[in-house]
Amino acid sequence: GAVVSQHPSRVICKSGTSVKIECRSLDFQATTMFWYRQFPKKSLMLMATSNEGSKATYEQGVEKDKFLINHASLTLSTLTVTSAHPEDSSFYICSARWDVRGEQFFGPGTRLTVL
Amino acid sequence: DAKTTQPPSMDCAEGRAANLPCNHSTISGNEYVYWYRQIHSQGPQYIIHGLKNNETNEMASLIITEDRKSSTLILPHATLRDTAVYYCIVRVGGGNAGNMLTFGGGTRLMVKP
Repeated sequence: GAVVSQHPSRVICKSGTSVKIECRSLDFQATTMFWYRQFPKKSLMLMATSNEGSKATYEQGVEKDKFLINHASLTLSTLTVTSAHPEDSSFYICSARWDVRGEQFFGPGTRLTVL
Repeated sequence: DAKTTQPPSMDCAEGRAANLPCNHSTISGNEYVYWYRQIHSQGPQYIIHGLKNNETNEMASLIITEDRKSSTLILPHATLRDTAVYYCIVRVGGGNAGNMLTFGGGTRLMVKP
């Protein structure tokens, strides 16, 4: 149990396009999900906290209009990188907090490359 | 959440025990010690957590000092697949924890044949 999936696992896009990344908790409900970004050889940096049915909370320095988050159900959160630029190229990781247990479980990550 | 300090890197011989230290001298009474690891290009994987008693599961053992200011994660028989970055995180635990995990630099463990 406690499996989190992300789709796609890898995406390459052109500069100026938008990319949507899905995060799903497959066998548990998650009112809260988190989105992280990780640059090469760096640690994970929290971007935003996503709550089902309400607006996401963004960390300082993260543009909410650029990184759109939608948490429409207890098992799905999406991150849309709008008007992507090469500097948005990174490894994006989500985690889902299991409502019953309180523990967080991570997805496998999505590698975004913007050309 | 309390800050943690870990050595940036460690080596371990395959088959030997890997002991990864973590300092968390400002830990609060209601904060747990969590360990995650991240294998290259994958999401972090939960390993173990504890409050004050030593804990053991199928992956590892966690030894927490009596004053709770430091802890050690022990992988009893390291394999090449244990090569990863290991993160020690302290935070409020339990079902109502809610808050995000704050990742520090972690320890890059290299298991060598």
